[in-house]
Amino acid sequence: QKEVEQNSGPLSVPEGAIASLNCTYSDRGSQSFFWYRQYSGKSPELIMFIYSNGDKEDGRFTAQLNKASQYVSLLIRDSQPSDSATYLCAVNAGTYKYIFGTGTRLKVLA
Amino acid sequence: DAGVTQSPTHLIKTRGQQVTLRCSPKSGHDTVSWYQQALGQGPQFIFQYYEEEERQRGNFPDRFSGHQFPNYSSELNVNALLLGDSALYLCASSFRTGGLETQYFGPGTRLLVL
Repeated sequence: QKEVEQNSGPLSVPEGAIASLNCTYSDRGSQSFFWYRQYSGKSPELIMFIYSNGDKEDGRFTAQLNKASQYVSLLIRDSQPSDSATYLCAVNAGTYKYIFGTGTRLKVLA
Repeated sequence: DAGVTQSPTHLIKTRGQQVTLRCSPKSGHDTVSWYQQALGQGPQFIFQYYEEEERQRGNFPDRFSGHQFPNYSSELNVNALLLGDSALYLCASSFRTGGLETQYFGPGTRLLVL
């Protein structure tokens, strides 16, 4: 079992819709969770982080964390073509390294 | 306020050669982590430097080594390059407070080994 799992996609959504990206992790001791956006040929850009169970909202983005289910998700409301990218989920289990999933490729169709 | 910077942006080497990549952290950050990202994969943790010491290491061979300088900048050295070392090398800087840390990535160095 991979430590951090994401569906590779592509996930295609129409412009204006809600995109839902999911991530599961195996280490129950994980303490902090991050979503990065990576455009093709570029480096990862931090979108959001979440430490506590529940929802955290920032503009069009909402991160959701359920530690009991070992599940973290990212919702993108009013999706735009510029949101088309690969979204990386990263988990920190209290050590100094982040463990990344392989990313989900999102395509927002105009 | 400058973000994380890396140099060079691109590099082409041949098998067996050695390479040095450089990173300057974001202002106010004292910790530097290095990652390797192969095509279609997520970043893989190589190691982290703090107070000029390697604080944690991922599953990479000893051919990968690093250094952190008093100004918090860092170098990643890779010896005896293999074709499989071709990847995007990412530096991330951070500052830990209250046991929590958020890493910000630089633009990366794309290494091609022929």
